[in-house]
Amino acid sequence: ETGVTQTPRHLVMGMTNKKSLKCEQHLGHNAMYWYKQSAKKPLELMFVYSLEERVENNSVPSRFSPECPNSSHLFLHLHTLQPEDSALYLCASSQESMNTEAFFGQGTRLTVV
Amino acid sequence: LAKTTQPISMDSYEGQEVNITCSHNNIATNDYITWYQQFPSQGPRFIIQGYKTKVTNEVASLFIPADRKSSTLSLPRVSLSDTAVYYCLVPNAGNNRKLIWGLGTSLAVNP
Repeated sequence: ETGVTQTPRHLVMGMTNKKSLKCEQHLGHNAMYWYKQSAKKPLELMFVYSLEERVENNSVPSRFSPECPNSSHLFLHLHTLQPEDSALYLCASSQESMNTEAFFGQGTRLTVV
Repeated sequence: LAKTTQPISMDSYEGQEVNITCSHNNIATNDYITWYQQFPSQGPRFIIQGYKTKVTNEVASLFIPADRKSSTLSLPRVSLSDTAVYYCLVPNAGNNRKLIWGLGTSLAVNP
């Protein structure tokens, strides 16, 4: 238990579906992140939020839409995804933005069919 | 971009000490070296972080020579449950200080 909880753990969606991934942290951290981990590839940082404000968007396609309603919750809204978007999506939090010690959730295994 | 180089894979046996070395030739003066562990289908977990010489915690030790161009993660007496991918990370150069993730070292501990 890392203090960062992601739901769902597994998700299968069609290319025309709309779904959302949820992340919640119970650590009182100010920064939250979305990462994508594809097979045989390094972790890719997608979005960074600091105190509910998006501070980084690493050229992520608009079919991925993040939302941070408060410092404890982070969502990733998905729509019209492609099969190559299938991956493990990881949420993380840290005390401050870009701290080297981050706490990760267990991830959502997403399969786009 | 900061760059780290570490072996793609390593094999070991239960009870052995495992040392994973990472090179980071372009590390900046004030940067720390951070190591994470990741089990299959789980998020990475922070193991240890250091700046120079030696750092030890309940999980591992981290050895950093004086020139700081490399570091060695030492896992004492590994068990089967230490089978995982281990990542060595240093911050990106410049104003963007984000960690750059590589493919890590896949450690297999055999009985």
